[in-house]
Amino acid sequence: NAGVTQTPKFQVLKTGQSMTLQCAQDMNHNSMYWYRQDPGMGLRLIYYSASEGTTDKGEVPNGYNVSRLNKREFSLRLESAAPSQTSVYFCASSEFHGYNEQFFGPGTRLTVL
Amino acid sequence: GDSVTQMEGPVTLSEEAFLTINCTYTATGYPSLFWYVQYPGEGLQLLLKATKADDKGSNKGFEATYRKETTSFHLEKGSVQVSDSAVYFCALSDRETSGTYKYIFGTGTRLKVLA
Repeated sequence: NAGVTQTPKFQVLKTGQSMTLQCAQDMNHNSMYWYRQDPGMGLRLIYYSASEGTTDKGEVPNGYNVSRLNKREFSLRLESAAPSQTSVYFCASSEFHGYNEQFFGPGTRLTVL
Repeated sequence: GDSVTQMEGPVTLSEEAFLTINCTYTATGYPSLFWYVQYPGEGLQLLLKATKADDKGSNKGFEATYRKETTSFHLEKGSVQVSDSAVYFCALSDRETSGTYKYIFGTGTRLKVLA
């Protein structure tokens, strides 16, 4: 089992460019999440998908869109990148949305110039 | 609303020292509590969890007890090793009155263990 995988590992964008971060899990989990991690701020939830076919906003959704492509895959799109979106992005999954533990991918380090 | 507060780091200890990382929470419901660990360049991984008051979670020599009366979930280890150097996150999962669930992380505490 690979667990949760993310691509790419690193990315540098110029302001205004767009990109999609990919995430996949092979644990047959129902729920998936996108977080950003910034120094001194812990993890903040961007969007989540409690189950296939549903998506909901988290704490910091502005400037992002998501797609739950199927049960395995959950992508995060930046339509017009801004320097404030420079961060480390983590995808996570859990068996169900609720009190369960979350399993995290290795992260994508994004820099927007 | 719900929140998690954990002690600021960095915490620097010598090998074999006793570790405590404080975590307190506020919650409207009956949350589950977690400690996650993040090693350099990696994602978070679950260290231990507790789902109800007075439960003790334990793993790899680390322990934490769910204290409802003090709304705390402090992480302890009797003898740290250099390999324990990492960032530790306290987190909670709670069901809101609306019926949705919220998962909240603390800001993380960096631990550095010196040989």
